Amino acid sequence: EVQLVESGGGLVQPGRSLRLSCAASGFTFDDYAMHWVRQAPGKGLEWVSGISWNSGSIGYADSVKGRFTISRDNAKNSLYLQMNSLRAEDMALYYCAKAEGYDILTGGALQHWGQGTLVTVSS
Amino acid sequence: DIVMTQTPLSLSVTPGQPASISCKSSQSLLHSDGKTYLYWYLQKPGQSPQLLIYEVSNRFSGVPDRFSGSGSGTDFTLKISRVEAEDVGVYYCMQSIQLPYSFGQGTKLEIK
Repeated sequence: EVQLVESGGGLVQPGRSLRLSCAASGFTFDDYAMHWVRQAPGKGLEWVSGISWNSGSIGYADSVKGRFTISRDNAKNSLYLQMNSLRAEDMALYYCAKAEGYDILTGGALQHWGQGTLVTVSS
Repeated sequence: DIVMTQTPLSLSVTPGQPASISCKSSQSLLHSDGKTYLYWYLQKPGQSPQLLIYEVSNRFSGVPDRFSGSGSGTDFTLKISRVEAEDVGVYYCMQSIQLPYSFGQGTKLEIK
């Protein structure tokens, strides 16, 4: 059974940093691309970033480009999101999602999702 | 960037009745590889999104056959043949033909 468990969320002041993690199990992690998707309180889904199986392809939403960095450690079956210069508008529930295939270009479905980790940005 | 537009934004349906949600993309989602990169998700209250339909019309594992998807190019539809109480939640379409991936605004389905 695919399991994705996010962690690292919390309360952070504007301008500060936070690092999210996603622990994956139940599948061969290094065979699949992975993504982060967020959902602000009461709002819809917003794709944040994706990374291919070997980290060769990486993409970001314009809203986070230059501030967020996605990475993965295939030896640890883990996905990360380093979030710098956080803003009030980054406050959201952040989901980790496993892709259908190995790349993010024409990447297919986001087949499995974690339960999310909440990031609150407030002074 | 590709914009995904869903209609309606809310839907109230009597159990046993059909429901339909439209999703239109600002660009064609048909790729030269022959696939159409359009997906449907349901986010039940308090839960994470779950994949319902992939590549326009294919039901994901475990999805009841009352859910069906259709369409091509830029116009797509999700249909529920007979709505059940467990179908309540917000439905999203999503494209992954091009970065950044994008979702529709969501359609909230409630039961009358």
